Amino acid sequence: GDSVTQMEGPVTLSEEAFLTINCTYTATGYPSLFWYVQYPGEGLQLLLKATKADDKGSNKGFEATYRKETTSFHLEKGSVQVSDSAVYFCALKEASGGSYIPTFGRGTSLIVHP
Amino acid sequence: DVKVTQSSRYLVKRTGEKVFLECVQDMDHENMFWYRQDPGLGLRLIYFSYDVKMKEKGDIPEGYSVSREKKERFSLILESASTNQTSMYLCASSAHGGLNEQFFGPGTRLTVL
Repeated sequence: GDSVTQMEGPVTLSEEAFLTINCTYTATGYPSLFWYVQYPGEGLQLLLKATKADDKGSNKGFEATYRKETTSFHLEKGSVQVSDSAVYFCALKEASGGSYIPTFGRGTSLIVHP
Repeated sequence: DVKVTQSSRYLVKRTGEKVFLECVQDMDHENMFWYRQDPGLGLRLIYFSYDVKMKEKGDIPEGYSVSREKKERFSLILESASTNQTSMYLCASSAHGGLNEQFFGPGTRLTVL
């Protein structure tokens, strides 16, 4: 079955540091890939997505590139802010076959200090 | 602004009580989901529904049931609440298809005493 593996957290950084959160996946078909973010006390919201190989999703300074050859979708940001402190979830969803249910990673907590 | 709303942000119930968690979406989505979120365990799917009156078990359906009488509303029912059901409950909705992301509600933090 499908699965998503994220690096364990928490990831602790100083403001303006470079961020990478690793995400790798296994899938039987050709999935779409997503990053969701959960701010404290809130539900998840979509951060970015990519629907085919070599696509780059980007939003709010975050980027991730769909790498089919390494089955990865790593999240990066060049300069983090305190307001980026949140939990980040990588997810995949099969693009065909009546797909309803995404597969989520366990989430990576990011803490950014001033 | 599109929205998924949940009936309560915080709820405290006693063991053995029947608990209803309500979720409403205004995006005309076919799919609706209930998850629970616990530290270290990520999101776990309880039930989902892909159409009115249709429901499918997720990974952890024991102790829960659901109801979807209208397209916009998906209810989670704890028939007899237990302390191990203390958790954060998240509702989500999505349109059909692999390209479509999920939209989440703000969550209900349920405490069972």
